[in-house]
Amino acid sequence: QVQLQESGPGLVKPSETLSLTCVVSGYFISSGYYWGWIRQPPGKGLEWIESMYHSGNTYYNPSLKSRVTISVDTSKNQFSLELSSVTASDTAVYYCARHLVGATEAFDIWGQGTMVTVSS
Amino acid sequence: QSALTQPASVSGSPGQSITISCTGTSSDVGSYNLVSWYQQHPGKAPKLMIYEGSKRPSGVSNRFSGSKSGNTASLRISGLQAEDEADYYCCSYAGSSTWVFGGGTKLTVL
Repeated sequence: QVQLQESGPGLVKPSETLSLTCVVSGYFISSGYYWGWIRQPPGKGLEWIESMYHSGNTYYNPSLKSRVTISVDTSKNQFSLELSSVTASDTAVYYCARHLVGATEAFDIWGQGTMVTVSS
Repeated sequence: QSALTQPASVSGSPGQSITISCTGTSSDVGSYNLVSWYQQHPGKAPKLMIYEGSKRPSGVSNRFSGSKSGNTASLRISGLQAEDEADYYCCSYAGSSTWVFGGGTKLTVL
């Protein structure tokens, strides 16, 4: 059973960099699939951020691309998101998910989400 | 890349059927049969309910069905049950290796 678990700081100051990690269990990310990040501001809808393959191939939301950095650590079976120069509008629940790119294009397995607040 | 348009809310009584629309453009919904639908209960992660416009993952009730006409995709829920009360989001492949979500629809079971 594939499971994803996000972790992060909870609180980030404006202009700093938000860093999140998603640990995958039940499947080796080096075996395939894309792995993505989606966020949801409080009371608002979902926004796709990026999706990456273990080899490093990555697709980005054009509106966030300039501030997003991704990385993958196959030895720890985890992938990470960094979002730079954050503002209050980056306050959201951040989800990681398995993304079936090149197949159904759906996000079929999601983590429980981690809340990040941007505030001084 | 603009969010897909969904009604803010829909409602129905137990046993009835409802339909949630998801309107995009000829660049996303209209060009690909790659719309997915997600159910989200308060405080929970989204759950995949429909993929490729009309297909159900294993374990999803056949009361949920999807369709598409032109630039608009639709999710139909028949035989409404109390546990169907949730937020629903559509998502479409938008070309150039990008994906876009809808703004979400709150379903109230009266």
